[in-house]
Amino acid sequence: GAVVSQHPSWVICKSGTSVKIECRSLDFQATTMFWYRQFPKQSLMLMATSNEGSKATYEQGVEKDKFLINHASLTLSTLTVTSAHPEDSSFYICSAVDRGSVNTEAFFGQGTRLTVV
Amino acid sequence: QKEVEQDPGPLSVPEGAIVSLNCTYSNSAFQYFMWYRQYSRKGPELLMYTYSSGNKEDGRFTAQVDKSSKYISLFIRDSQPSDSATYLCAMTFGSGGGADGLTFGKGTHLIIQP
Repeated sequence: GAVVSQHPSWVICKSGTSVKIECRSLDFQATTMFWYRQFPKQSLMLMATSNEGSKATYEQGVEKDKFLINHASLTLSTLTVTSAHPEDSSFYICSAVDRGSVNTEAFFGQGTRLTVV
Repeated sequence: QKEVEQDPGPLSVPEGAIVSLNCTYSNSAFQYFMWYRQYSRKGPELLMYTYSSGNKEDGRFTAQVDKSSKYISLFIRDSQPSDSATYLCAMTFGSGGGADGLTFGKGTHLIIQP
């Protein structure tokens, strides 16, 4: 299958700082990327959907000003957690799909473990 | 009530056994149903997706959907130690394979004992 690279795999940051997570599709054009979040012992929860060149669509309860998503190219989307707090500590994972392809399977990155101290 | 319920396990079975993994859901609007496998420190990878009620087979894996009961299953035959992983069920209102955002279960941690 296609490869989605997510970076960093883990990050520790101080409360009040911002953290940027990158999601890259390495061998296909990702017209749509999704960002998910998973708290301990909970399901992966969809945070937002981003289409290349458009503003992201956020799920209910997800603060768009706190979780900034940029999808400026067909191979890169970034999630910036602004003014991070300990309650933002979680596992963040992206997935990417090429809607222009016959195969609309979404491919996942390996995830980023964020710890805010 | 959560939208998708899945027993997190762990589920431990001996090698060669038939494994049954299950999820129930509450929203009848879900149309596509998927099973993902996730190894430690890796992203989920799609195993199977189904649309209609009934069975779909792929090698040692069989996905079963019962829309009337809002119940889906994944069966693994002749289980191998390499099948040890977390299995996530997922579903969506729109197109199959994950092209729309997915609603996931918590995942079941499966251990196949050699």
